[in-house]
Amino acid sequence: DAGVTQSPTHLIKTRGQHVTLRCSPISGHKSVSWYQQVLGQGPQFIFQYYEKEERGRGNFPDRFSARQFPNYSSELNVNALLLGDSALYLCASSVQVDGYTFGSGTRLTVV
Amino acid sequence: GEDVEQSLFLSVREGDSSVINCTYTDSSSTYLYWYKQEPGAGLQLLTYIFSNMDMKQDQRLTVLLNKKDKHLSLRIADTQTGDSAIYFCAEPRYSGGGADGLTFGKGTHLIIQP
Repeated sequence: DAGVTQSPTHLIKTRGQHVTLRCSPISGHKSVSWYQQVLGQGPQFIFQYYEKEERGRGNFPDRFSARQFPNYSSELNVNALLLGDSALYLCASSVQVDGYTFGSGTRLTVV
Repeated sequence: GEDVEQSLFLSVREGDSSVINCTYTDSSSTYLYWYKQEPGAGLQLLTYIFSNMDMKQDQRLTVLLNKKDKHLSLRIADTQTGDSAIYFCAEPRYSGGGADGLTFGKGTHLIIQP
């Protein structure tokens, strides 16, 4: 059984561009959450989606948005990229809203 | 506040026990978690403990929970070079609709000396 898969694994973007990151949860998991991990820090919560509805939002600007599809996969979108958005973006899935399994992440570099 | 506190570094000799400490913030947390992150990798769930337990043992790992002091610890017995990683303590974060994610500490870098 596949774990949480994220794509792409690495990405380089220019300031001002927009980016879309993708996540496929473990089969049967209906909840997906997104985290940003800046180098040297712990992951910071961005969003959680459950059954395609936003359940929670962390302290991130409106440039960050997400959605969840009928198959429970999810996309994280970031507009108007800043250098400070460079980070490892982690996706986690769970059956309900606890018991989180993380993917390997997408490393985003903004230049 | 919402800060989960951990020491940044711990250095131990191979074969000794490692004890990583964490102070969390929310006394209503139902679960508390320990995650491991190796260089360049995602997060691996090591273990978790229910809030109605004081201790949980899983092979070389022992988790101790002191709810009164909001203190969580992870003990790794017979520490090996493969245990070298960053260890994160995490608690659920709650909004009006219930738990909606995790709050992590900054992580403890476990360094193994030969």
